[in-house]
Amino acid sequence: EADIYQTPRYLVIGTGKKITLECSQTMGHDKMYWYQQDPGMELHLIHYSYGVNSTEKGDLSSESTVSRIRTEHFPLTLESARPSHTSQYLCASSDLAGLDSPLHFGNGTRLTVT
Amino acid sequence: GENVEQHPSTLSVQEGDSAVIKCTYSDSASNYFPWYKQELGKRPQLIIDIRSNVGEKKDQRIAVTLNKTAKHFSLHITETQPEDSAVYFCAASIRNSGYALNFGKGTSLLVTP
Repeated sequence: EADIYQTPRYLVIGTGKKITLECSQTMGHDKMYWYQQDPGMELHLIHYSYGVNSTEKGDLSSESTVSRIRTEHFPLTLESARPSHTSQYLCASSDLAGLDSPLHFGNGTRLTVT
Repeated sequence: GENVEQHPSTLSVQEGDSAVIKCTYSDSASNYFPWYKQELGKRPQLIIDIRSNVGEKKDQRIAVTLNKTAKHFSLHITETQPEDSAVYFCAASIRNSGYALNFGKGTSLLVTP
C-alpha cells in the first residue's frame, strides 16, 4: 500500500549522540517535509525538499540536517542530540502535480533525549 | 514567518450539537487551506480542504468556509459524534516554501455523549 513510513517509532537516547530519523514514501511524491510537534500542539516546519538534491530550512530554527539523494527517502540527522530536541518529528510528502496539495503524514518518531 | 491564528484552543459540545473552529491567516499569497484531524497518538489526517477560488465546500457533516478578503476561514461540524473528539488543525499554504503549510495551534474538541 502506498504510504509514508517513519522509523523508529520511538527513540530514547543520551545527550551528545548522533541520530538519524528515517522517512520513506512509496507514493511517488516529489515534495517532502519535516515538522516538529510536541504532542497535541502546533506543527513547526523545520525542513523541506522540492525533489532530489533539493533541501531547504523551514521557519523553525533547527540544529538538524536533511538529505534527499533519492526521491522516496528523506532522512533527518541530529549530529549531537540535546534534551531540548525531545519532541515528536513528523515526516510528510505531497504531490508536485498541483501548485498546492495536501500533505500526507507519516506516523512520526517520538524522540526523548536524556 | 507568516502566522495562522486558530480559535478556540478547546471546545466542548454535546453529541448532536454543531462545532465551529475559526482561523485567520496573514499571508495574502496563501491559496490553499486544509484542515487536519489528529487523534491521540496518531498522525494528522486531512479531513477537508478549500482553495482560494472557492468560498465554501461541504463533505457530509463537515463544511469549510473561506473569506479571502478578510483572510479567515472556518470549519463547521454538524451533528457531532463522540468519534469527532480529537485535535483539529487549520493550515494555510506558505509562499516560497515548497508549498509547505503553516499550521494553527490546534483546537481540542471534546464531544460528550
